[in-house]
Amino acid sequence: RKEVEQDPGPFNVPEGATVAFNCTYSNSASQSFFWYRQDCRKEPKLLMSVYSSGNEDGRFTAQLNRASQYISLLIRDSKLSDSATYLCVVRVRSYGGSQGNLIFGKGTKLSVKP
Amino acid sequence: DTGVSQDPRHKITKRGQNVTFRCDPISEHNRLYWYRQTLGQGPEFLTYFQNEAQLEKSRLLSDRFSAERPKGSFSTLEIQRTEQGDSAMYLCASSLLEQGGEKLFFGSGTQLSVL
Repeated sequence: RKEVEQDPGPFNVPEGATVAFNCTYSNSASQSFFWYRQDCRKEPKLLMSVYSSGNEDGRFTAQLNRASQYISLLIRDSKLSDSATYLCVVRVRSYGGSQGNLIFGKGTKLSVKP
Repeated sequence: DTGVSQDPRHKITKRGQNVTFRCDPISEHNRLYWYRQTLGQGPEFLTYFQNEAQLEKSRLLSDRFSAERPKGSFSTLEIQRTEQGDSAMYLCASSLLEQGGEKLFFGSGTQLSVL
């Protein structure tokens, strides 16, 4: 089983739609969680961190369920500019307990159409 | 430009040759990561440094790959005896690890093509 798995996509949605992405992780000792966005032929950029209580940033809402080892990202009122690949990222605990490296999922491609 | 810079942007080489990539992180960032990405895949972890110490290296990485970060500033990634399967985008990222968390800033990457 891969450490971080995401919906395969692609998601093709009309403008204004609400779309949700899911992600599961295998390491129960994972410490921190993030969503990154990657535009075509560009480098990934941090979209938002994911907190245990859930968090919102404008049209974006992230949720974490540690018991199910599940992370989600909800985008409301989709814009054309939201078209990108969304990467689920998990920090694993390194040997010795310090903050370890960041593992990326394969990504889910979103295409918002007019 | 005070972002993460990588050099070269593109590298074409013949199978069996050695290549070296350079990454200059954002000044004062204590962590530096190397990832590899192929089309349709997410970034695959290769290795990372905290200051000058290499803390972890992916088990998927063969002995042909080596990375250094002398003096905890810039980093180099060397691939010896390149193979066609090494063709990919090599991404470097740096961050400042603090109590409140960590945000990675990526460079534009080095696109390697092995013929």
